[in-house]
Amino acid sequence: AQSVSQHNHHVILSEAASLELGCNYSYGGTVNLFWYVQYPGQHLQLLLKYFSGDPLVKGIKGFEAEFIKSKFSFNLRKPSVQWSDTAEYFCAVFNDYKLSFGAGTTVTVRA
Amino acid sequence: EAGVAQSPRYKIIEKRQSVAFWCNPISGHATLYWYQQILGQGPKLLIQFQNNGVVDDSQLPKDRFSAERLKGVDSTLKIQPAKLEDSAVYLCASRRTGASGDNEQFFGPGTRLTVL
Repeated sequence: AQSVSQHNHHVILSEAASLELGCNYSYGGTVNLFWYVQYPGQHLQLLLKYFSGDPLVKGIKGFEAEFIKSKFSFNLRKPSVQWSDTAEYFCAVFNDYKLSFGAGTTVTVRA
Repeated sequence: EAGVAQSPRYKIIEKRQSVAFWCNPISGHATLYWYQQILGQGPKLLIQFQNNGVVDDSQLPKDRFSAERLKGVDSTLKIQPAKLEDSAVYLCASRRTGASGDNEQFFGPGTRLTVL
């Protein structure tokens, strides 16, 4: 079955540490890729998206993601996290007119 | 531009009762989606509308869930009768019209349903 896998359920790190969240998908063909973030008490917001072109995508708040087609991956990175990055992060894949989400990764940044 | 609006934000009901959720998408967005997000999981698509027509309702439990978008703008999602496992956040999202290649969806704040 087609799926979106996020490798970590919960990540805890200190401010200024680097963050990398893994995302793999099993869809073939053309895909659009997204990372959404949900801050505590807020709704889902788009961090960044990949449709085509440069596989290294830059988003808001210093986040970036790299699309590696051969590995079916779209990992999210941030070189130096802040306490305000505490949130839940969702990888999503648009394929065959549907948006499918991973289970999410909760990121806790300690001050 | 105004975002996707949803109401109510919270709802608590007992099992076997009915409940309805409302969504107003971003103006001009022809495509509207309802998702169910169970605690600890990512959102799961329930139904997709294009204007007032259903595009995909393959994952909607039609014995108890129904949705409509009569005038191609607002939408309602109903559960009747509710079960304990329906406790979740129900998200509404919309997508721009005719934006070829741009499949970004904009999400509302969701309705948190608790079934006791």
